Amino acid sequence: KNQVEQSPQSLIILEGKNCTLQCNYTVSPFSNLRWYKQDTGRGPVSLTIMTFSENTKSNGRYTATLDADTKQSSLHITASQLSDSASYICVVSAFGGADGLTFGKGTHLIIQP
Amino acid sequence: DSGVTQTPKHLITATGQRVTLRCSPRSGDLSVYWYQQSLDQGLQFLIQYYNGEERAKGNILERFSAQQFPDLHSELNLSSLELGDSALYFCASSVDPREAYEQYFGPGTRLTVT
Repeated sequence: KNQVEQSPQSLIILEGKNCTLQCNYTVSPFSNLRWYKQDTGRGPVSLTIMTFSENTKSNGRYTATLDADTKQSSLHITASQLSDSASYICVVSAFGGADGLTFGKGTHLIIQP
Repeated sequence: DSGVTQTPKHLITATGQRVTLRCSPRSGDLSVYWYQQSLDQGLQFLIQYYNGEERAKGNILERFSAQQFPDLHSELNLSSLELGDSALYFCASSVDPREAYEQYFGPGTRLTVT
């Protein structure tokens, strides 16, 4: 069964600090992995998409890594800002269509001033 | 703003009732997806339409149905509502139905069943 596990469930850090969120998956056959940011009560917004051949991708202060061998991904946030407070969702896609999307439960990140 | 619109923003109704949620995709996007997000659950894929035809089905209950109209807007119908149907319902759209393409999410409809 396809699964995506994210850790930690929640994280509190001080403004200006860095943090790293983890995503482990068992999805086959692997197509791509995405990280979304979801503000409370809003729709998710895509941060990065990585295919099998990509092992790092950046979007401003967000950098995602992918290790397809160990089936792990991380999202690193640099110099955190209060606006980074949100849930971060890892989504792994299998070939074959939308029913192949498996969502993690997300990491709830709180940035404190 | 993703360009995907959803109405209504909030909906409060009683158990046993039926509601319709509406979604307009981004201009040019042919594929529409519906998701449910409960308080303690992650996003659950319900159903996907592409250019008016059902393309993929996820964990959609038999009490739920959807369709995509010729103008590409989509509606999600929820009937015989139960307390457990209370959730955020998101619509997303993409230009291509294949899994590699970016999905753009709408702001969601918050459904409360009392």
